Amino acid sequence: GAGVSQSPRYKVAKRGQDVALRCDPISGHVSLFWYQQALGQGPEFLTYFQNEAQLDKSGLPSDRFFAERPEGSVSTLKIQRTQQEDSAVYLCASSLVQGVTYEQYFGPGTRLTVT
Amino acid sequence: GQQLNQSPQSMFIQEGEDVSMNCTSSSIFNTWLWYKQEPGEGPVLLIALYKAGELTSNGRLTAQFGITRKDSFLNISASIPSDVGIYFCAGQLGSGGSNYKLTFGKGTLLTVNP
Repeated sequence: GAGVSQSPRYKVAKRGQDVALRCDPISGHVSLFWYQQALGQGPEFLTYFQNEAQLDKSGLPSDRFFAERPEGSVSTLKIQRTQQEDSAVYLCASSLVQGVTYEQYFGPGTRLTVT
Repeated sequence: GQQLNQSPQSMFIQEGEDVSMNCTSSSIFNTWLWYKQEPGEGPVLLIALYKAGELTSNGRLTAQFGITRKDSFLNISASIPSDVGIYFCAGQLGSGGSNYKLTFGKGTLLTVNP
């Protein structure tokens, strides 16, 4: 497809379970970002990849959050031992990073509900 | 985490009216972007601004990059029902690496009455 895709679109997890959220960026996009969007808020930065290298993970809220992009394309955000405060929409965005154009294109998000 | 100050928080307008919303920051940004988000979807890029003072239009939308680089506004002219959604401003430092990450406002919820 032409845009960023994410799966699953919805995930319900019981507290303590591990979850894995997938992002397929736009083909050829070098940069990939994960954001967390709480209800009624704007997205907040979690982590950044340039190709397969994770260059910034300063936004990850705890060591239960882990992200990878092993081949520089698809990325997975993993949350271990989920807590209720992890409930949010997790958005993935990709960017071509060419010249002075750093526009990010977002996927539809994964809505995570921890019960 | 840091978020931009976006106002108003919500707007209820009649179809055909013009709309204005703005965003301010205590920090300088080198790029300002405006996104629209509809329920169950990710943010969709509307306009990107790259130079202080720049005024850019996209159809009925016009946005400006403030001269101090600490603010931006978005105008929508002659609103229509499909303009309904949440509008977010976002600032970006740029100049390499994770400086491309976006800092978002809390959003402006726009409702248009037909």
